[in-house]
Amino acid sequence: GESVGLHLPTLSVQEGDNSIINCAYSNSASDYFIWYKQESGKGPQFIIDIRSNMDKRQGQRVTVLLNKTVKHLSLQIAATQPGDSAVYFCAEHMEYGNKLVFGAGTILRVKS
Amino acid sequence: EPEVTQTPSHQVTQMGQEVILRCVPISNHLYFYWYRQILGQKVEFLVSFYNNEISEKSEIFDDQFSVERPDGSNFTLKIRSTKLEDSAMYFCASSKASADTQYFGPGTRLTVL
Repeated sequence: GESVGLHLPTLSVQEGDNSIINCAYSNSASDYFIWYKQESGKGPQFIIDIRSNMDKRQGQRVTVLLNKTVKHLSLQIAATQPGDSAVYFCAEHMEYGNKLVFGAGTILRVKS
Repeated sequence: EPEVTQTPSHQVTQMGQEVILRCVPISNHLYFYWYRQILGQKVEFLVSFYNNEISEKSEIFDDQFSVERPDGSNFTLKIRSTKLEDSAMYFCASSKASADTQYFGPGTRLTVL
């Protein structure tokens, strides 16, 4: 069946350090992948996405890497700040259809 | 910046009652979605809606659920006879096109007693 999962449920980093959040997916029938940030009591907030024909995409302080060979996705956050503390979800957009398949989430805790 | 809005933020209801969750998608978006998130679990797809009809639905979206776009701005999710296990956060999302980024609302927390 289809699934998107995460390796680490919780990641603690020191303020100013770089963070790397990982995600493994099992379904190959996707056209793009998305990272969402969810703060307590709020809805998922779009961070960055990457099309399946790319292997890297950079945004402001964030970089997403896609390795289709091993079905692995990562989110790198540079100079992590306290405001980055949240749950991060990877999601897979299915090529045929509209739905997103979400991973289980990783909690990022930034220590000051 | 335009955003998806949802009302109410919290809905408490008795088991067996009907509830309607409301959403106002981003105004120039054409695709609308409902997802739910049971406490501590991942976000799950319920249904997508385009051109006034359901384009895709999950196994969760059974006969107790329905969606409607009653006017040019609102998008609603109705649960006819709520069950305890329907307690969850319900998120509305919208996108310009099928393969475009989906933007989520703040959610409605549904508590079924």
